[in-house]
Amino acid sequence: DAGVTQSPTHLIKTRGQQVTLRCSPISGHKSVSWYQQVLGQGPQFIFQYYEKEERGRGNFPDRFSARQFPNYSSELNVNALLLGDSALYLCASSRAPQGNTEAFFGQGTRLTVV
Amino acid sequence: AQRVTQPEKLLSVFKGAPVELKCNYSYSGSPELFWYVQYSRQRLQLLLRHISRESIKGFTADLNKGETSFHLKKPFAQEEDSAMYYCALSEGVTGGGNKLTFGTGTQLKVEL
Repeated sequence: DAGVTQSPTHLIKTRGQQVTLRCSPISGHKSVSWYQQVLGQGPQFIFQYYEKEERGRGNFPDRFSARQFPNYSSELNVNALLLGDSALYLCASSRAPQGNTEAFFGQGTRLTVV
Repeated sequence: AQRVTQPEKLLSVFKGAPVELKCNYSYSGSPELFWYVQYSRQRLQLLLRHISRESIKGFTADLNKGETSFHLKKPFAQEEDSAMYYCALSEGVTGGGNKLTFGTGTQLKVEL
């Protein structure tokens, strides 16, 4: 069974550009969450989606947006990129959004903003 | 606001020695606590969660609500335990979702 897959694995963008990151959850998982992990820090929650609806949002600016598709895959969009957006972006899927449900993580997308 | 604190960035122990990775949390409700582990070149994965009250790979963790702690323990460290360990908290079953708040992580190094 395939785990959570993210694409691309690496990405280099210029300041001011826009980027779209993609995530495919484990089959049967309806909830997808996004995290940003800056070097030396733990993952920081950005968004959670369940059944195509936003269920939670972390403390990130409006430049960050996301959506979930009918097949439960998800995209994270970041506009007007800043150098500080350079990080590893993790996607996690789970069967349901409840707090005691195990989250399965993808390998991440390494975004570098230059 | 919820917060997870892992005071040690690096913990180095000898093989066979006991291990304790510290985790303290701040949350006003009834949290769900987890330990996630990331082995070298692998993705982040769940090690254990307090609700299961189980031992995984010899590791245990007890939720102490009085001290707001969820320390991870293992009586005898093994070389394959070397990894980055993250303590994480979520709002619980009745919370607003599976938002995980992570600590900054502790790198465990088991030396021979």
